[in-house]
Amino acid sequence: AQTVTQSQPEMSVQEAETVTLSCTYDTSESDYYLFWYKQPPSRQMILVIRQEAYKQQNATENRFSVNFQKAAKSFSLKISDSQLGDAAMYFCAYRSPNTDKLIFGTGTRLQVFP
Amino acid sequence: EAGVAQSPRYKIIEKRQSVAFWCNPISGHATLYWYQQILGQGPKLLIQFQNNGVVDDSQLPKDRFSAERLKGVDSTLKIQPAKLEDSAVYLCASSFFGPIQSRLGEQFFGPGTRLTVL
Repeated sequence: AQTVTQSQPEMSVQEAETVTLSCTYDTSESDYYLFWYKQPPSRQMILVIRQEAYKQQNATENRFSVNFQKAAKSFSLKISDSQLGDAAMYFCAYRSPNTDKLIFGTGTRLQVFP
Repeated sequence: EAGVAQSPRYKIIEKRQSVAFWCNPISGHATLYWYQQILGQGPKLLIQFQNNGVVDDSQLPKDRFSAERLKGVDSTLKIQPAKLEDSAVYLCASSFFGPIQSRLGEQFFGPGTRLTVL
């Protein structure tokens, strides 16, 4: 069975600085999808960025980018130029190629200080 | 476009009582999910519907939890009787259904229902 591990329960960053959130996963599949979801204090979860495992190029969405290391089964999220609105819980998630089911990690709480 | 709607937002009950949660997915989304998010943990899938059929309910405690999605739109999740360990946020999500190769997997989440069982 696939598992997702987020080893950083909490992280903090100064406004305008860069922070990296870690995620590792375990799978025997060669093709899959990886996601980062953001859950602000209001609790509505939104998609931040996604990566398809067969694509070697790291995904980027504005200030958000990933470092996808397939051999190491690592999928970290980098937030550049951090803003106060980035403060939230961040969840890493895995999806197998033939299902819609998401497997989530335990989350990392990000605090942003002015 | 309206998002995923859930009600109620908060519910407090005593153990052994019953409770029901309602979800209205995004219009046109054939797939609907119910997740349980216990404090300090990531969401865990309870049940997945494709239109009004169940795709995956392997982690649904069927002795006390039930869910239905009549007419393939709205869905209701029920707990009867509730236990203390059912205290959690119950999230509903929906996604577009298409050929699996084209499904990028984005799920759209509702605001959740926070359940407290005393």
